[in-house]
Amino acid sequence: SQTIHQWPATLVQPVGSPLSLECTVEGTSNPNLYWYRQAAGRGLQLLFYSVGIGQISSEVPQNLSASRPQDRQFILSSKKLLLSDSGFYLCAWSGLAGQSGGELFFGEGSRLTVL
Amino acid sequence: SQQGEEDPQALSIQEGENATMNCSYKTSINNLQWYRQNSGRGLVHLILIRSNEREKHSGRLRVTLDTSKKSSSLLITASRAADTASYFCATGDNDMRFGAGTRLTVKP
Repeated sequence: SQTIHQWPATLVQPVGSPLSLECTVEGTSNPNLYWYRQAAGRGLQLLFYSVGIGQISSEVPQNLSASRPQDRQFILSSKKLLLSDSGFYLCAWSGLAGQSGGELFFGEGSRLTVL
Repeated sequence: SQQGEEDPQALSIQEGENATMNCSYKTSINNLQWYRQNSGRGLVHLILIRSNEREKHSGRLRVTLDTSKKSSSLLITASRAADTASYFCATGDNDMRFGAGTRLTVKP
């Protein structure tokens, strides 16, 4: 069966510090991978999605970046965090690449507080 | 940007009552999905309805889709306290986008 792991679960970082959130998927190949951010009590904002290694589509702001160094690994990074980067970050995967619009499977999330 | 918008933003009902949540979207779709999120957790997929379907059932869940009005509704029948969660609709192909959600509280 497929599983998704996301870490760390909780992170408190000072403004201006770097960030690295990691997500790995097991039990499937060529998944579509996603990073979302959720502000408290709000909906999900799509940050990045990837349909294959090295293929990253960005929906957002410049101080965040994503990389997919391996087929089932998705990393969210920042060189210098802003206060507005605080939030709940969710990684997700879906089906096989090329099969769009399928069910998403989510990790348990990473709660980031920037002070 | 968000694709779907749920209505109402919050809903509070008594156990045993039915809960109806609505979703409106802007562009044409191939399918629409509904997800549930318990507080502080990841989202869990509930049901997918394709653009050529008008209604779909799964247990106590009933989803309708009206592509002419670009809207969908999620009905939870005979609600339970354990149904307390936020519910989101989502549309998209590779770029799956979610609405702001409906926060449902079911009082025992």
